[in-house]
Amino acid sequence: DIEMTQSPSSVSASVGDRVTITCRASQGISSSLAWYQQKPGKAPKLLISAASSLQTGVPSRFSGTGSGTDFTLTISNLQPEDFATYYCQQANSLPPITFGQGTRLDIK
Amino acid sequence: QVQMVESGGGVVQPGGSLRLSCAASGFILSSHGMHWVRQAPGKGLEWVAFLLYDGSDKYYADSVKGRFTISRDNFKNTLYLQMNSLRPEDTAVYYCAKGYCSGDSCYYYDYWGQGTLVTVSS
Repeated sequence: DIEMTQSPSSVSASVGDRVTITCRASQGISSSLAWYQQKPGKAPKLLISAASSLQTGVPSRFSGTGSGTDFTLTISNLQPEDFATYYCQQANSLPPITFGQGTRLDIK
Repeated sequence: QVQMVESGGGVVQPGGSLRLSCAASGFILSSHGMHWVRQAPGKGLEWVAFLLYDGSDKYYADSVKGRFTISRDNFKNTLYLQMNSLRPEDTAVYYCAKGYCSGDSCYYYDYWGQGTLVTVSS
C-alpha cells in the first residue's frame, strides 16, 4: 500500500498569511495526487487534482506543486473561509486509494 | 446539476447488516467509476470500495473485503454498499464519491454525497 504522510498535522495562522502543507508518498506516484478541503459536518471538496490542476471555481490563492513522492499545497492570503482540514490523496493506484491523515488549519 | 444523496445509515448491532444507497442525479452512474469512502468520528478519510464504470471490476479495502459488496442499479441510477458482519470499527460516516479523471488518473472525486452515519454498537 502507498502510505501518505502529511505535515504538519495542525497549523495556526492568521487571515492574510501564507500556509504550506506538505504530503509525502511512500513510493513514487508521478503527479497523481489530489488535495481536498473539509469543513466540519461537510463532505470533502476537491481543490486540486493531478498535483497542480486547480478545480473550476477554486480561488487562485490555492496552488499545488510536486511530483514523485513530495507534494505541497500552498494557500496564499488566507481568508476566513479557508480554515478547515486538508487532506492529500494518492490517485496512482488501487487498491487501496490512500489519504494523508489530514492537516487542521486553525485561526491564530 | 450533479447530486448524490445517501441513505440507509443507522444503528446496528455487531454482526448485523445494512445496505447503503446513493441516489445519483445529473449524471449517469454507469459512465463513471464510483467509490465509497468513510470517516470514523473525529478521524480521517478511509477509502472503502470502488466500482469500475462498466461494472466489470470491483475493489475493496482489506478491512472490509469479504464483508462489504459494492453494486449499482442502472435503471435507478443508484449505487449501493451492502455491509454484512458489521463491527464496531465500521462505525463511520459513509460517503459515495464520483470518480473524476485528471491527468493520467481517474481516481479523483469531484462530487460527494452528504454522507450517512453508520453506528455499530450493542
